[in-house]
Amino acid sequence: AQKVTQAQTEISVVEKEDVTLDCVYETRDTTYYLFWYKQPPSGELVFLIRRNSFDEQNEISGRYSWNFQKSTSSFNFTITASQVVDSAVYFCALSEEAAKAGGGADGLTFGKGTHLIIQP
Amino acid sequence: DTEVTQTPKHLVMGMTNKKSLKCEQHMGHRAMYWYKQKAKKPPELMFVYSYEKLSINESVPSRFSPECPNSSLLNLHLHALQPEDSALYLCASSQEYGQGNQPQHFGDGTRLSIL
Repeated sequence: AQKVTQAQTEISVVEKEDVTLDCVYETRDTTYYLFWYKQPPSGELVFLIRRNSFDEQNEISGRYSWNFQKSTSSFNFTITASQVVDSAVYFCALSEEAAKAGGGADGLTFGKGTHLIIQP
Repeated sequence: DTEVTQTPKHLVMGMTNKKSLKCEQHMGHRAMYWYKQKAKKPPELMFVYSYEKLSINESVPSRFSPECPNSSLLNLHLHALQPEDSALYLCASSQEYGQGNQPQHFGDGTRLSIL
């Protein structure tokens, strides 16, 4: 069975600080996909990034960067120079190939989320 | 702005009422999903439609009845709900069902309160 752990329930930092959100996953599959979603207070889940299990290249998009390490089964998310608008709940999610997925569609399993608070 | 539109944004209903939640997407996606999200919890999958046919029902009580009139629309009919059904209901879509690499795109959700 697949599992996603976001150990940080809540993080509070002051604006302009860098912050890293941790995500650790468990899966028996060799092919899987990792996602990060942002959920602001308005409720919408905003897709941020997808990473394939066979692509360990880290990615940077503006102030956002993602560090994927298969050796530690981690897919961490860093926000550089945080802003108040970054305040939201962030979910890490894992999906396996459908043929091997159990439970929900596409085997999409969410972590419990990290509530990020950026104080002005 | 989200490409998945949900209406209404807020809904308050009594336990004997009948209401419907609506979801619409025009991205040409063939898979659509309903999720339920309680406060401070991750979304929980309820239903999946693929090519307008129900593919997944995650043991959801019959007081929730999904409907997919066409590839762009997804409804969730509500009847005789319980107070514990109060939650944020999220609709999502993806290009295809059954391919784990495709991200799901979510709407803003409907905040449902059962009196």
